This record gives sequence, structure tokens and C-alpha cells, in this order.
Amino acid sequence: KAGVTQTPRYLIKTRGQQVTLSCSPISGHRSVSWYQQTPGQGLQFLFEYFSETQRNKGNFPGRFSGRQFSNSRSEMNVSTLELGDSALYLCASSLEGQGLDTQYFGPGTRLTVL
Amino acid sequence: QKEVEQDPGPLSVPEGAIVSLNCTYSNSAFQYFMWYRQYSRKGPELLMYTYSSGNKEDGRFTAQVDKSSKYISLFIRDSQPSDSATYLCAMGRMNRDDKIIFGKGTRLHILP
Repeated sequence: KAGVTQTPRYLIKTRGQQVTLSCSPISGHRSVSWYQQTPGQGLQFLFEYFSETQRNKGNFPGRFSGRQFSNSRSEMNVSTLELGDSALYLCASSLEGQGLDTQYFGPGTRLTVL
Repeated sequence: QKEVEQDPGPLSVPEGAIVSLNCTYSNSAFQYFMWYRQYSRKGPELLMYTYSSGNKEDGRFTAQVDKSSKYISLFIRDSQPSDSATYLCAMGRMNRDDKIIFGKGTRLHILP
């Protein structure tokens, strides 16, 4: 069974630009969660989508948004990029949701904002 | 008080030693506990998953949960250089509206 895939793996943007990251979950998984990981803050939860609906949301500004498609693939978008948005962005998929069963992580997208 | 506390390390131990990694937590409602391993420039990989207090063993890895003390541990026996990674503890409640809480991770170096 293929694992969680994320594209692109690396991205360099400049301040003020916007970016879209993509995540394909494990086949059959309906929940996709997004995290931001930085050395100082660790793993911080952004949001979770389940069957195309946002189920949970972390404490991030509205510049961070996401969506999920009918095939469970998910995208997250960051608008008006700031230097502090440089991080590893991870998505994780699970069958029924992060609160109900185990999550499997993708390799991440490393975003650098210049 | 943070919900989950984990010493960031780095922790350096010689090859073959027993490694002990720990997390403390404040929310007594947590029902399940996990340990993830993350190699540099990779996503976290689930190592251990346990619901109850006590020990759970899987090969060289043993997860220990003490709910009365709100303390969890991961032991690695016969440590290998390939065990060098960051280890994250995580925990949650069995509730669809809840999110999993992660520790910040402990960096582990196994010295050959």
C-alpha cells in the first residue's frame, strides 16, 4: 500500500507570495491533518479535514487555509507569506480521524520564505 | 503548564546502551499514547501505540505508561547508530473532535 505523499518536497518563495501544498493520503483514509514543524515550536497542528469538511482547527491566522477533495486528497494554502512561515509542513492521514486512530505522516514539504 | 513536556536533548549515548526517553503530561483525560521516530528531513514514523498503563514491548523498543504519575517512557535496548533520530511523544483522547498533542521531540545520537 502506498504511503502518504506530499508535493512538492521543497519550495522557495519570497515574502508576500502565496503557496499551495498538496497531500495524497493512504488509500481508504478519509482524514487528513496538516502540521507545521519548526525547530523552536515543534509540531503544531494546523487543521484536519474529514470527508471534505474541516473538523478541527489549530491556532493559526486566516492566511492558512485548506480544503479536501472527494478523493480525500487535500491542499493547504498560505497567502501573503511571511519569513516566519519557513518550516516543514507535514500532512498525516488516518482512517477515521486523528482523535480516533493512528496517523501516518508524509515526508513533508520544506518551505523556505526569503 | 504545557500539556506535554519533553526534554529536547540532544541525548548522546554509546552504541549498545539502553536509552530512556520520557514525557510528562498534565491532562489526565489522555487515553492513548504514541511514540514517533523522525529521521532528519523525513516525516515522523509511528513506533509504538498504547492505551493502558504498563509496558508494551516490540522488539528492542518498550513503551511504558504510568497514568497515575502522568509519565510515559520509551526504552531502546541494544541501541544502534541507526536509532539516531528525533523521538516525539504524542497523546490524545478517543474523541473525534480532539486533536493529538505532540511533545517537541528529543534528539538522540547513538555514538558508534
